[in-house]
Amino acid sequence: KAGVTQTPRYLIKTRGQQVTLSCSPISGHRSVSWYQQTPGQGLQFLFEYFSETQRNKGNFPGRFSGRQFSNSRSEMNVSTLELGDSALYLCASSLGGIANTEAFFGQGTRLTVV
Amino acid sequence: AQKITQTQPGMFVQEKEAVTLDCTYDTSDQSYGLFWYKQPSSGEMIFLIYQGSYDEQNATEGRYSLNFQKARKSANLVISASQLGDSAMYFCAMRGMNYGGSQGNLIFGKGTKLSVKP
Repeated sequence: KAGVTQTPRYLIKTRGQQVTLSCSPISGHRSVSWYQQTPGQGLQFLFEYFSETQRNKGNFPGRFSGRQFSNSRSEMNVSTLELGDSALYLCASSLGGIANTEAFFGQGTRLTVV
Repeated sequence: AQKITQTQPGMFVQEKEAVTLDCTYDTSDQSYGLFWYKQPSSGEMIFLIYQGSYDEQNATEGRYSLNFQKARKSANLVISASQLGDSAMYFCAMRGMNYGGSQGNLIFGKGTKLSVKP
């Protein structure tokens, strides 16, 4: 059974540009959540998608957006990049139903904004 | 508000010995899940173990066990027979339920850096 796949693994962008990150969850998992990890702020929740709908959202500016496709793959977009957006972006895959179950992460995308 | 506290920024353990990583949590949810993840320097967040709030038995996965004390709101991770490859950051996390009954998002502690000495 394949794990959670995030692409690309590494990315270098310039301030003001936009970026799109991709996450393919474990087969059968309908929930994909995105997290930002920085040395200063630790792990922070961005948003969660379930069955193509944003179900939960963290406290990030509107420059951060996402979507989920019918095959449960999710993309995260950051527009007008700032230096402070440099971080490790992790996505988590879980079944997503009403019961609380395990959540599995991908290897992450390390974004550097210069 | 939900909160996870890991009070040990760093710990050392001798190879082959057992080690306990502390985690306390705060939530008003009746139903929640507790998670432990390992993050090596590569950055990948590796799932180790999960405990549901209604599970009566402590969770175990190989060399990992979760010492769940609900009344004390603690969920300590015990690693038995430490190996050099266990050196990494360890994060405790919790997930409650959203209003409406769906699972919420993961709340993480600040992590504990474990170093295993040969």
